[in-house]
Amino acid sequence: KNQVEQSPQSLIILEGKNCTLQCNYTVSPFSNLRWYKQDTGRGPVSLTIMTFSENTKSNGRYTATLDADTKQSSLHITASQLSDSASYICVVSAGNNDMRFGAGTRLTVKP
Amino acid sequence: EAQVTQNPRYLITVTGKKLTVTCSQNMNHEYMSWYRQDPGLGLRQIYYSMNVEVTDKGDVPEGYKVSRKEKRNFPLILESPSPNQTSLYFCASSLEDRGNTGELFFGEGSRLTVL
Repeated sequence: KNQVEQSPQSLIILEGKNCTLQCNYTVSPFSNLRWYKQDTGRGPVSLTIMTFSENTKSNGRYTATLDADTKQSSLHITASQLSDSASYICVVSAGNNDMRFGAGTRLTVKP
Repeated sequence: EAQVTQNPRYLITVTGKKLTVTCSQNMNHEYMSWYRQDPGLGLRQIYYSMNVEVTDKGDVPEGYKVSRKEKRNFPLILESPSPNQTSLYFCASSLEDRGNTGELFFGEGSRLTVL
């Protein structure tokens, strides 16, 4: 069964600190991997998308990495801000409308 | 402004009372999809549509119906809602016909409670 596992489930950090969220997947074949940010009570918003040939992609203070060999991805957040408090969802696509969503990591940034 | 609009945003209903959640997008996207989100679980796809009059089941289609009569609209229909359909629902659209490489744009969500 194609699965996407995210860790940790939740994370609390202090404002200004960095953090890294993990995503491991077994989806095959692999088409692309996306990271989404979901604020409480809102719809997910795309942060990055990476295909097989890309191993890093940045969007401001967010940097995603992909290791297609080990089927792992990470999302690194630099100099966290209070507005980074949200759930971060990893989505892996196998193509042909087969998209698998992770359960998300709930990040809380405290002042 | 490019957006996906869902209505209603919040709804409390009773078992068996038919309801429809509307979804409309103004980006001329071919691909549209419905998901439900439950605590501790990832988003699960209910139905999707690759274009007008083309719909197909996702992972959890039981108890739901959809239609795609116009490109911009993709309503989700619960003919006889049950308490296990209490959930947060999201509609999404994408320019890519299979939603694979294009960015998925999500609506703001519809929180449904079935008593």
